[in-house]
Amino acid sequence: ETGVTQSPTHLIKTRGQQVTLRCSSQSGHNTVSWYQQALGQGPQFIFQYYREEENGRGNFPPRFSGLQFPNYSSELNVNALELDDSALYLCASSPDRVNTGELFFGEGSRLTVL
Amino acid sequence: KNEVEQSPQNLTAQEGEFITINCSYSVGISALHWLQQHPGGGIVSLFMLSSGKKKHGRLIATINIQEKHSSLHITASHPRDSAVYICAVGSHDMRFGAGTRLTVKP
Repeated sequence: ETGVTQSPTHLIKTRGQQVTLRCSSQSGHNTVSWYQQALGQGPQFIFQYYREEENGRGNFPPRFSGLQFPNYSSELNVNALELDDSALYLCASSPDRVNTGELFFGEGSRLTVL
Repeated sequence: KNEVEQSPQNLTAQEGEFITINCSYSVGISALHWLQQHPGGGIVSLFMLSSGKKKHGRLIATINIQEKHSSLHITASHPRDSAVYICAVGSHDMRFGAGTRLTVKP
């Protein structure tokens, strides 16, 4: 067990709805990154938060947004859901911004958009 | 061309065989990570490399920074090693390979 927990584990939404996914980081880690993993593919970087500030963003539209809280838990919000947003969403915490330490992943939230 | 290429995509081995999975990348990196993903999605970190070679039990990982290439070796493979192995590189913005699906048959 990594110490990183994500919720919910599974959820189903319809096109146009909004979703919030949550991640509780490994104790002591001030950096969290979110990834989207489509079926059969490797994860893709969405964004990273370091000490409550966004520290880099991948090629995702603004309807993907995030927050990190003082207790280092974080949220990924997706507005105006599209069918292609169906994927496994993973968060990973690390002790530094450049990922030179061990990464700790949650089990993921599997989102299905109908 | 993907920034991180893994080979092979799929690999089937008999228990006890020596396994090699390769990763080539084209971006500058702070570190390279080898990850293991089991059905259901959870990802476990196996190695973080910035140079040289690391060994944990039956797993060995090497990296050649000049050639931008890394290999993951599994000695004396076992059915419980069956999983998807993913190479990830970068800095704050990690880039991932598509993964190598390993099946080890008893």
